[in-house]
Amino acid sequence: SYELAQPPSVSVSPGQTATLPCSGDRLGEKSACWYQHNPGQSPVLVIYHDTKRPSGIPERFSGSKSGNTATLTISGTQPMDEADYYCQTWDSDTGVFGPGTKVTVL
Amino acid sequence: QVQLQESGPGLVKPSETLSLTCTVSGDSINSYYWSWIRQPPGKGLEWIGFIYYSGSTIFNPSLKSRVTISVDRSKNQFSLKMSAVIAADTAVYYCARGRYSSGWYFDFWGRGTLVTVSS
Repeated sequence: SYELAQPPSVSVSPGQTATLPCSGDRLGEKSACWYQHNPGQSPVLVIYHDTKRPSGIPERFSGSKSGNTATLTISGTQPMDEADYYCQTWDSDTGVFGPGTKVTVL
Repeated sequence: QVQLQESGPGLVKPSETLSLTCTVSGDSINSYYWSWIRQPPGKGLEWIGFIYYSGSTIFNPSLKSRVTISVDRSKNQFSLKMSAVIAADTAVYYCARGRYSSGWYFDFWGRGTLVTVSS
């Protein structure tokens, strides 16, 4: 089955940039999206179609892709951005989520 | 604003059938795709399946043999049934709206409901 890889954790100081990678076989040929998830709350879509930001999502969230690695970048990270972040794609008509990266804002 | 709300029993016995309903407000269910996703305690998200308002479905192959998703257009609801549950099916179950842009994504989610499988 298809798998996505994400680092388990990333630490960032307030105001700095957090870079979250997500890699997978042939991910360059697929569309990737990203969700922010705080425990006990609904996941929130922050990026879809690799780079598109839904309305209402702050501009400090951006997405990119190079080769088979998609990247979520949080510029000027704020304490409220501390959460789990999941990448997601599709393979053979199956939705696949990455294992998630916990972002800690120190 | 689209809102989704999951409902159903929070406790299911092993080997029995888990049944959940998602009520959609702020949008008609007669468009888009509607999905179930779950998160076991301490683990990541797992996609369960999709239903289109017409009734066509797509399932995660790992769960396909045990899962049914149906839609009730008159009530603006869709439902999940998972048979022969085991402890590993204990999870927070989310319903979500699916959209497509060179790939599927989920733009609105419910708050989730915890289902525990235990005798």
